[in-house]
Amino acid sequence: GESVGLHLPTLSVQEGDNSIINCAYSNSASDYFIWYKQESGKGPQFIIDIRSNMDKRQGQRVTVLLNKTVKHLSLQIAATQPGDSAVYFCAENSGGSNYKLTFGKGTLLTVNP
Amino acid sequence: DAGVTQSPTHLIKTRGQHVTLRCSPISGHKSVSWYQQVLGQGPQFIFQYYEKEERGRGNFPDRFSARQFPNYSSELNVNALLLGDSALYLCASSFQGTIGGNTIYFGEGSWLTVV
Repeated sequence: GESVGLHLPTLSVQEGDNSIINCAYSNSASDYFIWYKQESGKGPQFIIDIRSNMDKRQGQRVTVLLNKTVKHLSLQIAATQPGDSAVYFCAENSGGSNYKLTFGKGTLLTVNP
Repeated sequence: DAGVTQSPTHLIKTRGQHVTLRCSPISGHKSVSWYQQVLGQGPQFIFQYYEKEERGRGNFPDRFSARQFPNYSSELNVNALLLGDSALYLCASSFQGTIGGNTIYFGEGSWLTVV
């Protein structure tokens, strides 16, 4: 079956540290991946995406790394701030779907001041 | 510019009742998708509509239906509500109907509680 899983359900970091959130996906045919941030009581907020023809993509304070060999995705957040505290989801267009995203369960990131 | 807007934000229904949830996509976006998010889990795909046509359907019973209007807004209907339908219902919009380099934006969701 198709699934997107996370290695760490919770992550606690100190303000100013770098955070790394990991995600494993099982469908090797997936070719598009997205990271979303979801704060309590709100909808998912787009952070960054990456296509399978890339290994790395950088945004503002965030970097996504894709390792297709081991089917692993990670989100790196530089200089983590209290406002980064949220649940982070990775999502994939499972099997190369043109219309459907498959989400993992999420990782709760807590930033301690 | 307004993002994806959904209504109502919260509602409570009784088992067996029917509910209609509404979504307005970002201006210029032609694709709308619906997802269900149960507490503590990631969103689950329900439907995608593009140019008023259903392009995809997730593993949900026929009690769930949706449609997209000429102005690209959308409704999600759920009949014969069950307790297990209690969830956050998310609407997402994108400019095109295909995933892949086509940023998908979510609304804040409609919280449905079935009692």
